[in-house]
Formats: sequence, C-alpha cells, structure tokens
Amino acid sequence: QVTLKESGPALVKPTQTLTLTCSLSGFSFSTTGMRVSWIRQPPRKALEWLARIDWDDDKFYNPFLKTRLTISKDTSKNQVVLTMTNMDPADTATYYCARLVTDNYYFDYWGQGTLVTVSS
Amino acid sequence: EVVLTQSPGTLSLSPGESVTLSCRASESISRSYLAWYQQKPGQAPSLLIYAASSRATGIPDRFSGSGSGTDFTLTISRLEPEDFALYYCQQSNRSPLTFGGGTKVEI
Repeated sequence: QVTLKESGPALVKPTQTLTLTCSLSGFSFSTTGMRVSWIRQPPRKALEWLARIDWDDDKFYNPFLKTRLTISKDTSKNQVVLTMTNMDPADTATYYCARLVTDNYYFDYWGQGTLVTVSS
Repeated sequence: EVVLTQSPGTLSLSPGESVTLSCRASESISRSYLAWYQQKPGQAPSLLIYAASSRATGIPDRFSGSGSGTDFTLTISRLEPEDFALYYCQQSNRSPLTFGGGTKVEI
C-alpha cells in the first residue's frame, strides 16, 4: 500500500527556515522512474506546485520560489525533504507531498498534508 | 508558465443533475499532460482523470474527461451526494507544472 506522510513544524516565525519531511512507504524512492513533488495550498486558495525530485536526484523548482527552496532525498530512510527559507505570513498553507507518475506526469498518491502557519 | 483558468468558480446544483466543468489553458497543451483532481474539505486532492480522458483506478464512469488544445472539460453525470467538492485541473505539458484555480460544486 503506497502512502506518503508529511511532517514538520506547525508554526514558524517570519524569516525562519521551514523544513518538511515526506516519509514514503509502499514503494522505494530509489526505484527507476520514481518522482515526488511538494505542493502547497494556502487556506481557501488553489494548489501551487513547489518542487520535484526524481529517483536519480534530478531536481526541479517553481521558478517563482526557486531561490528559497531546496529539495533533497534520503534514500536510506525513503524520505524527501523540503526546505524553504525566509518564511513569510503569505507562506501559511497546507503543504502536501505527492508521487508523480512518469508516463503522464500526474499525481497518483498524495500525503494528508501538514498545515504550516507563519506568525510571530 | 501555463495558466489554467477554470470556470465557473462555483456551481450550485442538486443530486441527480449533470455538470460540465471547464479548464482553459493559456497555450495549447498535449492531452497526455492534463489531469483532474477532486478535493473534499479537510482532505488532500485525489486523482480523477489523467491524460485528459482516462479515469483513475476506482473512479466511477459518471466522471468523464474530454478536450484538446486549450480547452478541456470534466463532466459529471448524475451527481451523487459525495460528488459535491472542489475540482482542479493540472497541466504538466510545460514546466512549471500548474493547477487551475478550481471549481466548487455545491448543493
């Protein structure tokens, strides 16, 4: 059974760095063709794609946020990590990780999401 | 980036009715890279349709997708109570991957 689960702080202060972890189970991220993305959703707003990392360590970022984002993987733990620097109240959102299917680049499995609030 | 415009923003309907949701792209995209998701309150999005018209595993046949180029639609025939939700389209034809603004189907 494929599952993804996000973890990280629920509250961060402005200017701080956010670190989120996506723990994968039911599949190995080292398998050829595996790709995982982070997506966020501010309260009552639409989804926004943030970043993607592939099994071969290729990385892709939303150009509007690229300077603030770093995505990485820990294959031994089957985890994907996202860091976002210089957090702002506008970054308050539910952050999701999701598995991207290679053939048609859609998300077949999503984590439950983790709400991150940015406030002093 | 490819902007996806979904219309209308909100639809008020009754169970048993049928509805067609629109997703218009700012440039032509391949059918292979257009997907639809359903999101219920407090839940993550879940996949409905991929490659414009292919239903995901377990999705009932009252959900159907169509379209090409810049215009894509999601049709729900005979709305069931559990279908009242938010619907998003997503493209991956050109990076960055983008989502539409969503259409809410409400009772």
